[in-house]
Amino acid sequence: RKEVEQDPGPFNVPEGATVAFNCTYSNSASQSFFWYRQDCRKEPKLLMSVYSSGNEDGRFTAQLNRASQYISLLIRDSKLSDSATYLCVVRGLYNQGGKLIFGQGTELSVKP
Amino acid sequence: GAVVSQHPSRVICKSGTSVKIECRSLDFQATTMFWYRQFPKQSLMLMATSNEGSKATYEQGVEKDKFLINHASLTLSTLTVTSAHPEDSSFYICSARDLELGRETQYFGPGTRLLVL
Repeated sequence: RKEVEQDPGPFNVPEGATVAFNCTYSNSASQSFFWYRQDCRKEPKLLMSVYSSGNEDGRFTAQLNRASQYISLLIRDSKLSDSATYLCVVRGLYNQGGKLIFGQGTELSVKP
Repeated sequence: GAVVSQHPSRVICKSGTSVKIECRSLDFQATTMFWYRQFPKQSLMLMATSNEGSKATYEQGVEKDKFLINHASLTLSTLTVTSAHPEDSSFYICSARDLELGRETQYFGPGTRLLVL
């Protein structure tokens, strides 16, 4: 089983749509969670951290369910510029050097 | 914000040659840097963790003699792909860990695209 698994995608949605991405992680002791965005042929960039109580940043809402080991990202009123690959990322445990473990990514394409 | 640079941004080389990629943290000191590789349509895979002043820690399946890592200063880590082959063609990305003010943030470099002919 992969340490971090995401929806396979791709997601093709019209502008203005609401889209949700899901992610599961295998290590119940994991403590830190993130969503990164990666544009084509570019490096990943931090979109937002995910907190236990859930958090929102503008049109983006991230949620964490520790019991189910499940992370989600909701994008409301999607824009053309939201088209990218979204990476679910979990920070490994201290004895793993605290390394970031990436999911395979979900591609989003927002169409006019 | 913090910036991490990589050089070169892209390189094309012949099979059998060695290629060195530099990763620099420009406005913070990084005792730890990470090297990733990303093949098309796949996610980032950690290759190794580079620690300043000590040996790198390699992930399972990554050959340490083929991917030489040197972290000689707090702002520079280098990855050398030795005797490169076409299957080494990939997008290599480094990140640097910033532990300033008790926060831990990783900043990614812009990546180096390697094509081995």
